[in-house]
Amino acid sequence: EDQVTQSPEALRLQEGESSSLNCSYTVSGLRGLFWYRQDPGKGPEFLFTLYSAGEEKEKERLKATLTKKESFLHITAPKPEDSATYLCAVHKVTSGGSYIPTFGRGTSLIVHP
Amino acid sequence: DVKVTQSSRYLVKRTGEKVFLECVQDMDHENMFWYRQDPGLGLRLIYFSYDVKMKEKGDIPEGYSVSREKKERFSLILESASTNQTSMYLCASSLSRGAGELFFGEGSRLTVL
Repeated sequence: EDQVTQSPEALRLQEGESSSLNCSYTVSGLRGLFWYRQDPGKGPEFLFTLYSAGEEKEKERLKATLTKKESFLHITAPKPEDSATYLCAVHKVTSGGSYIPTFGRGTSLIVHP
Repeated sequence: DVKVTQSSRYLVKRTGEKVFLECVQDMDHENMFWYRQDPGLGLRLIYFSYDVKMKEKGDIPEGYSVSREKKERFSLILESASTNQTSMYLCASSLSRGAGELFFGEGSRLTVL
């Protein structure tokens, strides 16, 4: 069965302490791996899409990478405002031929000043 | 700017009541989705729609129905609310049936007493 697993569930960092979040997936025929950021009480906000192994994308202190089985979200020198839950998602195909996003459970990141 | 608007941020209903959650997008997107989000369980897909009057069940459709009479509007209906439907409900849209990133609303927090 198609599955998306994120680790760790929670991560506490000191300001400036770089780290990585992991998203492993098992899906046949990847049609994009998506990263989202979600602040408390709000809807997720799109960050990146990666389509093929070896692809990388960057935005400020965040860099997303993709291999054939997993994706990493690297956070370099994080600041307290990077505190949020980070979600990853892949699309799976329904019997009707639709592509629907399937989400991992997220990593809750807290960055202490 | 892309916008997905959910009609109510917070609702409190009684067991057995009929509940309507409405979602409107202003981007002419084909796809619309309803998710629920619960601590420890992540985002779970209830229903989605890829065209007017078209709908497909997601992973947890039991106890819910949907309506899409116009392209921009997707409604989630709880025919007879139960306490286990207390949750955060998130509506999202995406451009086309093929794939693509989701744009989320701010969420509707429903409490069923």
